[in-house]
Amino acid sequence: EDQVTQSPEALRLQEGESSSLNCSYTVSGLRGLFWYRQDPGKGPEFLFTLYSAGEEKEKERLKATLTKKESFLHITAPKPEDSATYLCAVHSGAGSYQLTFGKGTKLSVIP
Amino acid sequence: ETGVTQTPRHLVMGMTNKKSLKCEQHLGHNAMYWYKQSAKKPLELMFVYSLEERVENNSVPSRFSPECPNSSHLFLHLHTLQPEDSALYLCASSQDGSLARETQYFGPGTRLLVL
Repeated sequence: EDQVTQSPEALRLQEGESSSLNCSYTVSGLRGLFWYRQDPGKGPEFLFTLYSAGEEKEKERLKATLTKKESFLHITAPKPEDSATYLCAVHSGAGSYQLTFGKGTKLSVIP
Repeated sequence: ETGVTQTPRHLVMGMTNKKSLKCEQHLGHNAMYWYKQSAKKPLELMFVYSLEERVENNSVPSRFSPECPNSSHLFLHLHTLQPEDSALYLCASSQDGSLARETQYFGPGTRLLVL
């Protein structure tokens, strides 16, 4: 059974204080790892897809990296508008539609 | 309208009511999904449709009944729900559904409260 564990559950940062969120996964054949951002009361907003170990993707202050066991979402010099819950999900197995999600990390950036 | 839209955004219903949630995608995708998001729990996949055919049903109680009349529209019909069914119901779509690498795009969700 696929499993996704995100840590920490919650993270408070001062504006400008860089940090990383972790997503550890156990899957039988990773086909893709996805990062989403979710604001309160809204649907998840797609950020990145990573397909193979060593891959990295960047968007503004966010950078996602992938190893064989985990993914990191690095946030450089965060701003208050980066406050949200960040969700990690994995897709495994050919022909499967199932995305397995973690519980998320709630990020708060304090001005 | 762009992306994935859902109506209503908020819904309060009694346990004996019948209501429907609607989802529409404007992305030209062929696959659509229903998810349930409860507090402190990961998103749970409920149903998947690919080219209007249901391809996955994750042991969801029969009080939830999906309908996909075409590749742009998806409904979730609700009847005799329980208070524990209160949650955020999210609709998503992807290009094809049969490819494991596809990105799923989500709608804003319907916040459901069952009294």
